Amino acid sequence: GAVVSQHPSRVICKSGTSVKIECRSLDFQATTMFWYRQFPKQSLMLMATSNEGSKATYEQGVEKDKFLINHASLTLSTLTVTSAHPEDSSFYICSAREGPGDGYTFGSGTRLTVV
Amino acid sequence: GDSVTQMEGPVTLSEEAFLTINCTYTATGYPSLFWYVQYPGEGLQLLLKATKADDKGSNKGFEATYRKETTSFHLEKGSVQVSDSAVYFCATVSGGSEKLVFGKGTKLTVNP
Repeated sequence: GAVVSQHPSRVICKSGTSVKIECRSLDFQATTMFWYRQFPKQSLMLMATSNEGSKATYEQGVEKDKFLINHASLTLSTLTVTSAHPEDSSFYICSAREGPGDGYTFGSGTRLTVV
Repeated sequence: GDSVTQMEGPVTLSEEAFLTINCTYTATGYPSLFWYVQYPGEGLQLLLKATKADDKGSNKGFEATYRKETTSFHLEKGSVQVSDSAVYFCATVSGGSEKLVFGKGTKLTVNP
């Protein structure tokens, strides 16, 4: 079946630095990828939708300049958390789908801790 | 907009007990419905899905039937195992949208 690889699984960074998280579709081409944030014991909050070759569409309340999303190829999307602060600490999950009507495959998530 | 309401947990059961996690949805058009499972520290895995009314999704002993008349997609399993302990999310996506909308999740703990 479809596999999405997300890397790194855990990262600790200092306040003020930037962190990049990668999401790769391994055996299919993902025209659309999604980035979620999950707070402890809560559901997933959609941050943005990215389509290959175009700008990401951010959900209301998500800072575009803080959470930079790039979807430069059909198999790779990246989320960069810029100038990270402790409140950005969270579990970030990506998902991908090959096309409209296809299922959604999720990455294994990245635990970001900002100290 | 679309929304999903699912039974709040946590749910604690003994091994071999019967499981039901309720889920109702509000969506436009003809939505697809999903159940995802999340094990501790991991991403989400698709457990089962249904794309039209009266469809029954099933996997690993879990079942859910798409009931349009009651806008429900309740998850059931006849005999749970300790390994079923996880958080379960109900989700929907409308035909006109590509965004999955999740319920709040229900944490299931199965004790031996």
